[in-house]
Amino acid sequence: LAKTTQPISMDSYEGQEVNITCSHNNIATNDYITWYQQFPSQGPRFIIQGYKTKVTNEVASLFIPADRKSSTLSLPRVSLSDTAVYYCLVGAATYSSASKIIFGSGTRLSIRP
Amino acid sequence: DTGVSQNPRHKITKRGQNVTFRCDPISEHNRLYWYRQTLGQGPEFLTYFQNEAQLEKSRLLSDRFSAERPKGSFSTLEIQRTEQGDSAMYLCASSLAREATEAFFGQGTRLTVV
Repeated sequence: LAKTTQPISMDSYEGQEVNITCSHNNIATNDYITWYQQFPSQGPRFIIQGYKTKVTNEVASLFIPADRKSSTLSLPRVSLSDTAVYYCLVGAATYSSASKIIFGSGTRLSIRP
Repeated sequence: DTGVSQNPRHKITKRGQNVTFRCDPISEHNRLYWYRQTLGQGPEFLTYFQNEAQLEKSRLLSDRFSAERPKGSFSTLEIQRTEQGDSAMYLCASSLAREATEAFFGQGTRLTVV
């Protein structure tokens, strides 16, 4: 399984754009990149998933360079409610693989007023 | 369907007792995962099912831990002879096999062993 490396913590201010980068040098051809968000005392919540280039949804954007060895989660105009732990995961998303979801330590994002 | 449901939400037990947790996944999801999470750490994978088949168990899952998913619907996680080190949040998640990495998590069961 591809291992991921991401910053332990980040701080930002309300209204700013926050970019969290994740390294996954050993990503496999059929691996997808997935990000989860977790608030205290809650289970993780799926944010976004991508394979290559850029993916955008109502919550975030995910940028993946051509070599796929890293990815960047971009949160536009953060608010206090975006304070959470963000996990970057890589793994195959298809039925045929024995894929399982493995979490690292995550990035603890703190948003200040 | 209101999502993944876990019961109980909190459990306090004495060391040496057995405990059982239940997870009801989203109804059409055929994959079900169990995780354990301690303070400040990411969720640790314990085991997962595809329908009723248990496909993998982590080495973290000692002989005191057992999980079942009869008929491929709800799942139970049992811990026998609990130890203080078992105190943690136990999380359940479910997904479709074809979208295996997009999982939906329950609120968890917080276990405290005293």
